Amino acid sequence: GEDVEQSLFLSVREGDSSVINCTYTDSSSTYLYWYKQEPGAGLQLLTYIFSNMDMKQDQRLTVLLNKKDKHLSLRIADTQTGDSAIYFCAESLRDGGATNKLIFGTGTLLAVQP
Amino acid sequence: DAGVIQSPRHEVTEMGQEVTLRCKPISGHNSLFWYRQTMMRGLELLIYFNNNVPIDDSGMPEDRFSAKMPNASFSTLKIQPSEPRDSAVYFCASRHTRGAGEQYFGPGTRLTVT
Repeated sequence: GEDVEQSLFLSVREGDSSVINCTYTDSSSTYLYWYKQEPGAGLQLLTYIFSNMDMKQDQRLTVLLNKKDKHLSLRIADTQTGDSAIYFCAESLRDGGATNKLIFGTGTLLAVQP
Repeated sequence: DAGVIQSPRHEVTEMGQEVTLRCKPISGHNSLFWYRQTMMRGLELLIYFNNNVPIDDSGMPEDRFSAKMPNASFSTLKIQPSEPRDSAVYFCASRHTRGAGEQYFGPGTRLTVT
């Protein structure tokens, strides 16, 4: 079935690196995404990776994709207190039409300690 | 670009009342999604439209919920009659069918039914 799993909570100290992990189920997913949700706000797209890539780097963010294990990770370098938020991974599913549904994980609450 | 616009941002209503949530997608986007977020159930896809046509409403909880998209720049989600268990944050998201399938979320409507 469709299921995207994440650990619920991660605590790091300011300046350290954070690694948020995600496992997904659909090997045919074409894209995988990371979203950030700050308190009282909507989900903000951080980055995405095409399924034929292993890694994507965007400033402090590094996404690693292991298709064999269906494992996705988001590394945040030099984590700041402003990075404290809930992080969602999502996989795309084709439903036979032109529109892809996204299946979201449960979210990982990242707490950055000063 | 103004992003996805939702109104109202907050709604407090009494059980049994009708509630209408509104969404304006990003100009040029031709797919629109309604989600509900609660602590217990996480982020749930309720319904989505492609070119103003409802594609999949299997996530709509029950007949009290209905959604329309009369044109490319406007959608409504209606709950009639509302119940306390409908209390949640409702998000609207839009995307273009070209590209990486990424969805862009509005700020959400926090609904409280007493």
